[in-house]
Amino acid sequence: EIVMTQSPATLSVSPGERATLSCRASQSVSSNLAWYQQKPGQAPRLLIYGASTRATGIPARFSGSGSGTEFTLTISSLQSEDFAVYYCQQYNNWPPPIMYTFGQGTKLEIK
Amino acid sequence: EVQLVQSGAEVKKPGESLKISCKGSGYSFTSYWIGWVRQMPGKGLEWMGIIYPGDSDTRYSPSFQGQVTISADKSISTAYLQWSSLKASDTAMYYCARMLGYCSSTSCHPNWFDPWGQGTLVTVSS
Repeated sequence: EIVMTQSPATLSVSPGERATLSCRASQSVSSNLAWYQQKPGQAPRLLIYGASTRATGIPARFSGSGSGTEFTLTISSLQSEDFAVYYCQQYNNWPPPIMYTFGQGTKLEIK
Repeated sequence: EVQLVQSGAEVKKPGESLKISCKGSGYSFTSYWIGWVRQMPGKGLEWMGIIYPGDSDTRYSPSFQGQVTISADKSISTAYLQWSSLKASDTAMYYCARMLGYCSSTSCHPNWFDPWGQGTLVTVSS
């Protein structure tokens, strides 16, 4: 099983500043990585897929980078609505069997 | 608008059975995989399994194989997650989500989850 490890567990950043969140895979997942945002009491929302492609409707301040085992989600200028928990998810399903794993999450809080 | 609407919260006793639902609308329900994800209280996301409503092809996470059953009724665009005998440790929020991915001329791979249903809270307590 591919293990996804996110760091840090909690990140404190001031509004308007840049936030950088990391996700590491225990083995290469190529660019088969997605990022999600989850606010309290809400379902997760897709932000990024293919490691760097923004999903429909996602603001340009969100960007993803990386490949292989090291990935980064960057939020360029934090808005109040960006404070949430962020999860990465790998979908490196070839060869089979199909298996998806999520990181444990990074909580982005207001400093 | 693509939407997944899940059934309401449930409170059950250990040993009882349960089936929760996820109804899709705004897209071709039979053409995309549906995934189920568990989130235990205060914890992260765990993938449980996926189903292709077009032919009911189903795949389970090893962690959930034999613990739950995933099914779908394409005639009413609804997927299901069911338990035959609940345990207190099944207390969690359960999400369904459509799965998207890279497509060939004939099919799309189930890769990432988008959009998600609003979640169904299942509480199991004696």
